[in-house]
Amino acid sequence: AQSVTQLDSQVPVFEEAPVELRCNYSSSVSVYLFWYVQYPNQGLQLLLKYLSGSTLVKGINGFEAEFNKSQTSFHLRKPSVHISDTAEYFCAVSDWRGTALIFGKGTTLSVSS
Amino acid sequence: EAGVAQSPRYKIIEKRQSVAFWCNPISGHATLYWYQQILGQGPKLLIQFQNNGVVDDSQLPKDRFSAERLKGVDSTLKIQPAKLEDSAVYLCASSLTRGGFSEQYFGPGTRLTVT
Repeated sequence: AQSVTQLDSQVPVFEEAPVELRCNYSSSVSVYLFWYVQYPNQGLQLLLKYLSGSTLVKGINGFEAEFNKSQTSFHLRKPSVHISDTAEYFCAVSDWRGTALIFGKGTTLSVSS
Repeated sequence: EAGVAQSPRYKIIEKRQSVAFWCNPISGHATLYWYQQILGQGPKLLIQFQNNGVVDDSQLPKDRFSAERLKGVDSTLKIQPAKLEDSAVYLCASSLTRGGFSEQYFGPGTRLTVT
């Protein structure tokens, strides 16, 4: 069975500081990895995804993530955050069999000035 | 392109009552998902449809939850009777195909409060 662990439930940072949100996964087959963002009272929006190829993936809003197969990790990074990045971030995994997404518990990113 | 539509956005009911949620996926999307998101947790799959057939309903509490996708388009999720622990946000998502690489698009969700 697949699983996702988001290592930090809350990450407070100051505006313009760098941030890293950590995600580890477990799977017996090759995986696809995703990061979603959820703003208050809204649905989930895809930030970026890793399907294959380059292990460094760039997404929207200046976010990027690196797939590390040996460490089974897919950490999300942004070099300089804005107040508007305050939201809940979810890491998720699926695979070629077409199973639905399995999500981590989420990380709350709080950006303050 | 219109996104995934859900209604109602909010619903408050008493325990043992019934409730229904509606979802209209993006046009042309064959796969439809219902997820349950309890406060403080990530979404958890309840049921997955491929066109109008069920692909995975292993985590659907079938004694109280039911779902259908008529004509492979709109879908309805019903809870009868509701319990306090059903309080959650119910998210509908759709994707073009069933493959795990196919991006899922999420609706805004229905927030259910059971009192």
